Amino acid sequence: EPEVTQTPSHQVTQMGQEVILRCVPISNHLYFYWYRQILGQKVEFLVSFYNNEISEKSEIFDDQFSVERPDGSNFTLKIRSTKLEDSAMYFCASNRVGIRTDTQYFGPGTRLTVL
Amino acid sequence: DQQVKQNSPSLSVQEGRISILNCDYTNSMFDYFLWYKKYPAEGPTFLISISSIKDKNEDGRFTVFLNKSAKHLSLHIVPSQPGDSAVYFCAATGFGNEKLTFGTGTRLTIIP
Repeated sequence: EPEVTQTPSHQVTQMGQEVILRCVPISNHLYFYWYRQILGQKVEFLVSFYNNEISEKSEIFDDQFSVERPDGSNFTLKIRSTKLEDSAMYFCASNRVGIRTDTQYFGPGTRLTVL
Repeated sequence: DQQVKQNSPSLSVQEGRISILNCDYTNSMFDYFLWYKKYPAEGPTFLISISSIKDKNEDGRFTVFLNKSAKHLSLHIVPSQPGDSAVYFCAATGFGNEKLTFGTGTRLTIIP
């Protein structure tokens, strides 16, 4: 069965450093998403991406965050200058034709620890 | 921001019995609702969804009920199996929207 993959599984970084989290969505999917889950809290939407541009973003997704689909297969989330409060599990997700008509598949997540 | 609430952080059910997980929402613009299951160290897995034009949707052992007037939905699992032990999240989205708003989750434990 096709799956969304994410690398690395765990990233440790110093506060103020840039991190790039990588995702490979399912190959025929057109909608891509990033979510995060701070330990013990709910899963929170960050951003959705369709047709090579951001379609929606949350208030969490400020100027420190950016997304890119650099080569038609990878989908990346960059955090320019990490803060302690960015420590969380980051999940990538994708679906073929949108949430209402198609199953959204999540990757296993990247645990980001900011020291 | 508590637009989607799951008031029971945990639930224990005997194997073979019915599990009922509840979810309440406050945003009247939500018109599509989903349930996800999550095991430790994995991403959420889609279970079942329901549009606001329906009040029930069934898929095998899973049934979701929607009560729009009460802004309440529930997930019924019957019969419950040990493999159902996981954290269950409800989520909601509004028309023309790809943003999911999640609840805080309910940890379901099925007792053999």
